[in-house]
Parts: sequence; C-alpha cells; structure tokens
Amino acid sequence: GAGVSQTPSNKVTEKGKYVELRCDPISGHTALYWYRQSLGQGPEFLIYFQGTGAADDSGLPNDRFFAVRPEGSVSTLKIQRTERGDSAVYLCASSFGGPQETQYFGPGTRLLVL
Amino acid sequence: AQSVTQLGSHVSVSEGALVLLRCNYSSSVPPYLFWYVQYPNQGLQLLLKYTSAATLVKGINGFEAEFKKSETSFHLTKPSAHMSDAAEYFCAVTSSNDYKLSFGAGTTVTVRA
Repeated sequence: GAGVSQTPSNKVTEKGKYVELRCDPISGHTALYWYRQSLGQGPEFLIYFQGTGAADDSGLPNDRFFAVRPEGSVSTLKIQRTERGDSAVYLCASSFGGPQETQYFGPGTRLLVL
Repeated sequence: AQSVTQLGSHVSVSEGALVLLRCNYSSSVPPYLFWYVQYPNQGLQLLLKYTSAATLVKGINGFEAEFKKSETSFHLTKPSAHMSDAAEYFCAVTSSNDYKLSFGAGTTVTVRA
C-alpha cells in the first residue's frame, strides 16, 4: 500500500516568506507526527495529532510555526516569517496511535530559507 | 523526559565483520525502544522495536538488538556486515506516557570492501 507522502520534496524560499508543507499519512492511521531534522542531527519532535486535534505541540519552537489536520487525515505545517535557521528537513510520520506503535515516516520536505 | 545517547557518531567496519551500534536510554517509566535506518536521500525505515515482550528483538536485514534494563541499553548488532548496510542509524525512545519519539544523534556506518 501507499506510504506517507510529503509535498513538496524541496522548497526554497526567501527570509520572511510564508511556507506550507503538506503530509498525507497512511490510510487508517489516526496519529500523525511532525519532526524536524537538521544536518547531522537526529529528528526532533514538533507536534503530534490524534485525529483532528493537536495532542502535543510542545516541540513547536515558537509561534511562527503552526500545524493543522482539519479532517483527521492530511496535515499542513505552516511557517510564517521564515528565518534562515528554519532550514532543515521536515519529516512527517503516521501510526495507529499507541506509543508502542511503529511510526512510518515520509521522505521529508527539504526547506531552504535564503 | 526521555532521551537516548548513541555512542560513536561514525562506525567503519569491514565487509563480513560484526556491526555493533550502541544506544543508552534514559526514562523514568518503562520505555519502548526503536532502531531506524536512513539511507541517503530516503526516509526513516524501522529496523526493529522493543515493546516489553522478548528482550532480544530480531529485525529486518539480519539486525537484532537486546534490551538490558540493568544497563539501560539497547545496542544494535549484525553478525556480518554487507555493503548495503552503509547508512545512518538512529535509536529512539517513547513510553506509555509520551508518544513522541526522542531520537539520538545518529551513527553513520561505512562498510569497507
């Protein structure tokens, strides 16, 4: 079956611009996660959805970052007033929802802020 | 709060030699532990996971890991390295009260012919 998909695969933007990153989870997965991976580091948690609601957004670095999942499937990560430090690979994962469940990752969106 | 520490950011092994990647965790509650592999320009793929059943866990591609509570470790091994094992490996932890994965910094494996 289809895995987690993310679009776009690459995004180049200018400092101060707004960007949206999209994640399509595996069908039937109730949980959806966003992580950010900087060069040479492990992924860092941003936000977790159970259904339509954000169950844990403690990893969002500041109020420029926001994510939605209005129908409990597709999710969009939104970044306002981008900064060069936002450059990273943004990873999305989905699972059946328990902490012991495997999180399946998408290929990521590589964001470059110039 | 949970965390993992991966000892050694780079490991180089000869083809056919043992692969050993070290992971130590910190958790105030019983952990769930995962090893993921990331090939160049690809997403993370699960190798294996420990979820409080058998302490010796077998995964894909001949990898296995052993959960040792007394040592707070979950080291990954493969008896005989193959060229295709060259990749970056991440250890991660969750628990019953924390669904998010906390990752280590990763270990890059290179395999010498």
